[in-house]
Amino acid sequence: NAGVTQTPKFRILKIGQSMTLQCAQDMNHNYMYWYRQDPGMGLKLIYYSVGAGITDKGEVPNGYNVSRSTTEDFPLRLELAAPSQTSVYFCASRTGTFPGEQYFGPGTRLTVT
Amino acid sequence: AQTVTQSQPEMSVQEAETVTLSCTYDTSESDYYLFWYKQPPSRQMILVIRQEAYKQQNATENRFSVNFQKAAKSFSLKISDSQLGDAAMYFCAYSPSNTGNQFYFGTGTSLTVIP
Repeated sequence: NAGVTQTPKFRILKIGQSMTLQCAQDMNHNYMYWYRQDPGMGLKLIYYSVGAGITDKGEVPNGYNVSRSTTEDFPLRLELAAPSQTSVYFCASRTGTFPGEQYFGPGTRLTVT
Repeated sequence: AQTVTQSQPEMSVQEAETVTLSCTYDTSESDYYLFWYKQPPSRQMILVIRQEAYKQQNATENRFSVNFQKAAKSFSLKISDSQLGDAAMYFCAYSPSNTGNQFYFGTGTSLTVIP
């Protein structure tokens, strides 16, 4: 199993540009999450999904959108990038049995200038 | 609002010694879960240990154990026989069991292990 994969690993965006961060998992997990980690801070939940077609907001959803058309993929869309979105983004997945261990991807470091 | 506080930004320990990392949390829920995650320089988040609030017994995983004080809303991590590979950022996290999907993380403690 590859586990949770994220692409790209690094990206630099100009203010106002858009991009999609990709996340995929091959563990057949229903639950998937997007977090951001700002320098010196813990992770904050952006969006989560409990299964294909179902998504919901976390603690800091503004400026982001998600979709979940398949069990495997959970892309995060940034529209009109702003410097405040400079962060490291982590995707995670877990089984349906709570609390169930969350498996994290390696992260995407995004800089908006 | 749910908050998780880690009051020690940095800690250090001699190899083979024991160190305790502190975590407090604020919640009005009675049922929830607490976690300690390790983030080495590779950035990969790794679950170290978890505790269910309704269980009185403190969780233990090999050299890692917790001291869970529910009334005090405290959840500290003890690392025994510290090894060089334990050097990392450690994050405390909380999740209320009624949603199963909201996770709240502390700001982390950077642990240095001195040879």
